[in-house]
Amino acid sequence: SQTIHQWPATLVQPVGSPLSLECTVEGTSNPNLYWYRQAAGRGLQLLFYSVGIGQISSEVPQNLSASRPQDRQFILSSKKLLLSDSGFYLCALGGWGLKGLAGYEQYFGPGTRLTVT
Amino acid sequence: AQKITQTQPGMFVQEKEAVTLDCTYDTSDPSYGLFWYKQPSSGEMIFLIYQGSYDQQNATEGRYSLNFQKARKSANLVISASQLGDSAMYFCAMREEEYGNKLVFGAGTILRVKS
Repeated sequence: SQTIHQWPATLVQPVGSPLSLECTVEGTSNPNLYWYRQAAGRGLQLLFYSVGIGQISSEVPQNLSASRPQDRQFILSSKKLLLSDSGFYLCALGGWGLKGLAGYEQYFGPGTRLTVT
Repeated sequence: AQKITQTQPGMFVQEKEAVTLDCTYDTSDPSYGLFWYKQPSSGEMIFLIYQGSYDQQNATEGRYSLNFQKARKSANLVISASQLGDSAMYFCAMREEEYGNKLVFGAGTILRVKS
């Protein structure tokens, strides 16, 4: 079965500082990978998704960026954090052909709780 | 227009009773999928159940069932015999083949199970 790791689990950063969140997956190859953000008490907003190494699609214009340097590694970055970047960041994997998936469901990592002060 | 609408911000249910969480969706794509996820206070997102647009029967997974009414564009989650551990946020989501099979989530419903 697939496993998703995210770190750090929690992060407190000042406004204007850089950000790097990492997501790695095990137990699968060539998965689709996704970054979501969840504001407090709200639903999930898709930020980026990737169908392969070096392939990134952005869903929402913002000061965040994503990269996929390896098949099982997905990184979310920012050069200068804003207060509005605070939230719960979730990495997910999914895609047709993954063992056990019936309908493109996505499986989520444990998340990173980011507070920008 | 919102793709997924969950009209119940919060729900209460007595332990051991059944509860229905509402979800309506909007799409013109004939091929789509509907999902329910559970998010406990820990924050993890747990996949519960899936219904495909061409599936003839309603999906069931243990105590979870999906009441799929295609003509009404609704995909309500039914939880039978509620347990205290069912207290969580529940999200409905939709995948549209036309839009690259990405998932779009509703705003969620908080469920509280009372003992």
